[in-house]
Order: sequence, then C-alpha cells, then structure tokens
Amino acid sequence: GQSLEQPSEVTAVEGAIVQINCTYQTSGFYGLSWYQQHDGGAPTFLSYNALDGLEETGRFSSFLSRSDSYGYLLLQELQMKDSASYFCAVTYGGYNKLIFGAGTRLAVHP
Amino acid sequence: DTAVSQTPKYLVTQMGNDKSIKCEQNLGHDTMYWYKQDSKKFLKIMFSYNNKELIINETVPNRFSPKSPDKAHLNLHINSLELGDSAVYFCASTPGQNTEAFFGQGTRLTVV
Repeated sequence: GQSLEQPSEVTAVEGAIVQINCTYQTSGFYGLSWYQQHDGGAPTFLSYNALDGLEETGRFSSFLSRSDSYGYLLLQELQMKDSASYFCAVTYGGYNKLIFGAGTRLAVHP
Repeated sequence: DTAVSQTPKYLVTQMGNDKSIKCEQNLGHDTMYWYKQDSKKFLKIMFSYNNKELIINETVPNRFSPKSPDKAHLNLHINSLELGDSAVYFCASTPGQNTEAFFGQGTRLTVV
C-alpha cells in the first residue's frame, strides 16, 4: 500500500527556520507536494516536486530525493501567520491519485 | 468566481438519516476527489474520479456513494448516517498533469 510519514508537531520562534520532513512508500510515484491548512480552512497548495532537487518559492522551499523516497519543506523567516498544519502528499499510479500524510502542526511563537 | 465549491458548508443531522454533499469545479479539471478529515486532521482519501470514471474507491462503507454526472461535478451521498461519520469532508480537483490540487471550503458534517 501507499504510506507517508511526517512529524506530528514542530515548534519554532518567529524569524527562525524550520524543516518538515516527509518519507513515503508508494508504487508508481509521480511527485511530492506540500499543502498548508489553517484551522477551520481548506488545504492550500504550496509546492510540487517531480524531480530531485530544491524548489524555492519565496520563504518556502521544497526538496525531493526520489532515490531516498524523502522530501522536506523548508520554511524561512517564520512569521506568526505560518502557524498551521502542513501536509505532504504524493501523486502516484497516474495523475489522478493523490494521497496525504497525517500532517505536521507547526506552532510559531514570538 | 469560486474554483471549487461545496454545499452545504455545515450539515447537522440525526443518526440514520440520508444526506448529500454537492461539489462543483469550474476549472476544467479532469480529476475530482473526496477526502474525509477527522478530528485528528488526517486527510483520508475516499474517492477519485477522472472524467466521470471512478479511479479510487478506498475502504469506505457502502453507505457512501459518489456520483459524477459530468466532469465538473462530484457529489457524495451518505445513507444511514452514523456518529462516526462526523468529520469535515473536502472536495478537490486536479488538472490532467497533477501538480496542484484545488480544494473546496469543506463541509462540516455533525451527526447527532
């Protein structure tokens, strides 16, 4: 079956850098993506990696190593508004299969 | 214009009732999904449809039946509601080359 693992909680202070790791087991892997969800809101897309390497989008970067079945989301210059849950997700077995990890709750403190 | 819209946003109902949640996307995407998010925030995939064809049907009770009248709509009908069905249900859609999923606002279902 398909599975993803990520830490359940991470705590950091404003201005710091935090890395959220994700390991996955899946057949027919296409890509790894990251989503942010604030309490009471819907998940919103942050990034997508299909190839090995680092993708940078503003303060957020995402990394993928296909050989290690591993990726991470890097959040820099943390702000209070970054407090949210972050989900890694894999697209597999065709472009119409998308499953999510259990989510990492990030708490940013002053 | 809302890209993915779900109705209703809130649904409170009694055990044993039958209810439906509607989802529509105006993005022209080929694939639509239903996810269930429980109190622990886990986003569990329930169904995936591609151009009205069922792709994924995870281990979901038969009481849940998706219906896709066209590729822009994916509705979820639930029979004989149980307390454990209480959760937030999200509809989502992705284009053919899946790089980004767009989510609806969610439907908070409470079974009492």
